[in-house]
Amino acid sequence: ILNVEQSPQSLHVQEGDSTNFTCSFPSSNFYALHWYRWETAKSPEALFVMTLNGDEKKKGRISATLNTKEGYSYLYIKGSQPEDSATYLCAPMYSGGGADGLTFGKGTHLIIQP
Amino acid sequence: EPEVTQTPSHQVTQMGQEVILRCVPISNHLYFYWYRQILGQKVEFLVSFYNNEISEKSEIFDDQFSVERPDGSNFTLKIRSTKLEDSAMYFCASSTRRLSNFQPQHFGDGTRLSIL
Repeated sequence: ILNVEQSPQSLHVQEGDSTNFTCSFPSSNFYALHWYRWETAKSPEALFVMTLNGDEKKKGRISATLNTKEGYSYLYIKGSQPEDSATYLCAPMYSGGGADGLTFGKGTHLIIQP
Repeated sequence: EPEVTQTPSHQVTQMGQEVILRCVPISNHLYFYWYRQILGQKVEFLVSFYNNEISEKSEIFDDQFSVERPDGSNFTLKIRSTKLEDSAMYFCASSTRRLSNFQPQHFGDGTRLSIL
């Protein structure tokens, strides 16, 4: 069973503040990491696919970094807005693992307070 | 922007009954998936489907589950004899290429299945 940990489980942030949270995963045979954003009553939406150690990806105010050697990724949100409220899911992939199915963490539930 | 659509949004079924969940993937996508999330737990992979056959399935996807692409647009998940523990949100997803090609999967809004 793949041990994907996301922390914190939930997070309350004031509007306008910046925040970050973590996805930890086994580093052995790492292949790629997916980040998804999942708003309540909507479908999970792909944010980033990251592969290389030191990768940094950005989409608007959201960015992510990847450390494959130690097995973690940070997701940063700059200047949080109410529309950023969502659950953020990560899913690592491994060489020799399943080719198709994403193995998600439990997610970080982010609530932006106006 | 093209979307994955799922129907119904909520399905209530008596235990032991068969249920079919329906999905219309994005039209030019070739790979199709089902996931589920039991309340309070992780989103779990069930099955992937390509070229009219199952390409991968998880331990959860036992003999009571089946998938089908009955025509050029629909992708269905059938649960043959539902159990209480099948109550969950079921998500359909599709992609142009496999995960191993670093392609994201596009998800539908889900069908909430409640077994009574």
